[in-house]
Amino acid sequence: QQQVKQSPQSLIVQKGGISIINCAYENTAFDYFPWYQQFPGKGPALLIAIRPDVSEKKEGRFTISFNKSAKQFSLHIMDSQPGDSATYFCAAIRRGGSNYKLTFGKGTLLTVNP
Amino acid sequence: NAGVTQTPKFQVLKTGQSMTLQCAQDMNHEYMSWYRQDPGMGLRLIHYSVGAGITDQGEVPNGYNVSRSTTEDFPLRLLSAAPSQTSVYFCASSYGQPSYNEQFFGPGTRLTVL
Repeated sequence: QQQVKQSPQSLIVQKGGISIINCAYENTAFDYFPWYQQFPGKGPALLIAIRPDVSEKKEGRFTISFNKSAKQFSLHIMDSQPGDSATYFCAAIRRGGSNYKLTFGKGTLLTVNP
Repeated sequence: NAGVTQTPKFQVLKTGQSMTLQCAQDMNHEYMSWYRQDPGMGLRLIHYSVGAGITDQGEVPNGYNVSRSTTEDFPLRLLSAAPSQTSVYFCASSYGQPSYNEQFFGPGTRLTVL
């Protein structure tokens, strides 16, 4: 059972365009949703994260939108640049208690053409 | 700080061989984990540790052993390698629970089992 579904698998965007990656989750106990960015040959790195009591979080050109009722969240990359070309993973975890397991989506390969 | 380091970067094994993937961190992080990354599958948790002497299973633990004798090191052992274990392995660490603390990933070990 895949608890976090991510789409699309791959995305090609022109420089200056908006990249949108979507994720949906099933477990309503999830209450923390990070996004990771991974460049080829490197490990993932935390990009931005959101809690469900916030509908939107923005950091520079990166914005997370969160829809709690639909159990969906998305990453928007404004003014996409070739340097943004990477694989992006959404993730989810339930905070509190002794929970240590982060559940990842399957990833989206973003290519930004110059 | 070197952060999270992994050795080796690449490894080729024959079916049935054993080996240990090394992971070390110099950030005094209590929480460490191992993930495997397969094409189209995202990151899946193999084992994790919440401190020296304490380990637990993740999502895909079969075929792997771990131990945590020091805060700094968290080796992953393959006792009898199988082709299904061909993957890229990432070690990660965080100060505390990954639900509250950023996880830092190592550069990965690419393992091929023939």
